[in-house]
Amino acid sequence: DGGITQSPKYLFRKEGQNVTLSCEQNLNHDAMYWYRQDPGQGLRLIYYSQIVNDFQKGDIAEGYSVSREKKESFPLTVTSAQKNPTAFYLCASSIDRDALGSGNTIYFGEGSWLTVV
Amino acid sequence: AQKVTQAQTEISVVEKEDVTLDCVYETRDTTYYLFWYKQPPSGELVFLIRRNSFDEQNEISGRYSWNFQKSTSSFNFTITASQVVDSAVYFCALSSNNDMRFGAGTRLTVKP
Repeated sequence: DGGITQSPKYLFRKEGQNVTLSCEQNLNHDAMYWYRQDPGQGLRLIYYSQIVNDFQKGDIAEGYSVSREKKESFPLTVTSAQKNPTAFYLCASSIDRDALGSGNTIYFGEGSWLTVV
Repeated sequence: AQKVTQAQTEISVVEKEDVTLDCVYETRDTTYYLFWYKQPPSGELVFLIRRNSFDEQNEISGRYSWNFQKSTSSFNFTITASQVVDSAVYFCALSSNNDMRFGAGTRLTVKP
């Protein structure tokens, strides 16, 4: 089936550790995105990538890093520099690389819960 | 700066009631797009509808309808004869000028 797959669904991290969230899509979409969701705050953009080997910071990029070595993959690393990483993380993609302002629909994965213990 | 406001944090209704979720947006752009997404307990945001700023016609899809009014900068979403399966968090979003903003979401609970 076509779609966006995120793993793991639940992840626990000790303070000071880096963790990587996986995101894979088989929709042949050009653009991919990472959002963070906190209760009562909606979705905030962390990073996005419009083409392979290129990515841009979103509103809350500090403490996060990404790579886009393949069109279908866009992993997110939550580093120890991220002071409050406990949140729900959503990966998304769109067929158009300019989707953020062009009106093309963004499609989402099922998300990953990250908890710092 | 663009902004989307969903003033209703939580709504609770009894099955078969009609319910309207409000969305008010702010933008200086004349070309923009509005979206509604549904987030069920599984977590995935499910796309429901997209409208562009030049099309103010209301839209109906089964029990769902959307009322777009540029005069009041609103894009409200109505569920007719609500069902328990409609329970979810609903997000309104605004897209224009290389930017996309989401509202804080409205949690809808439909009780049997």
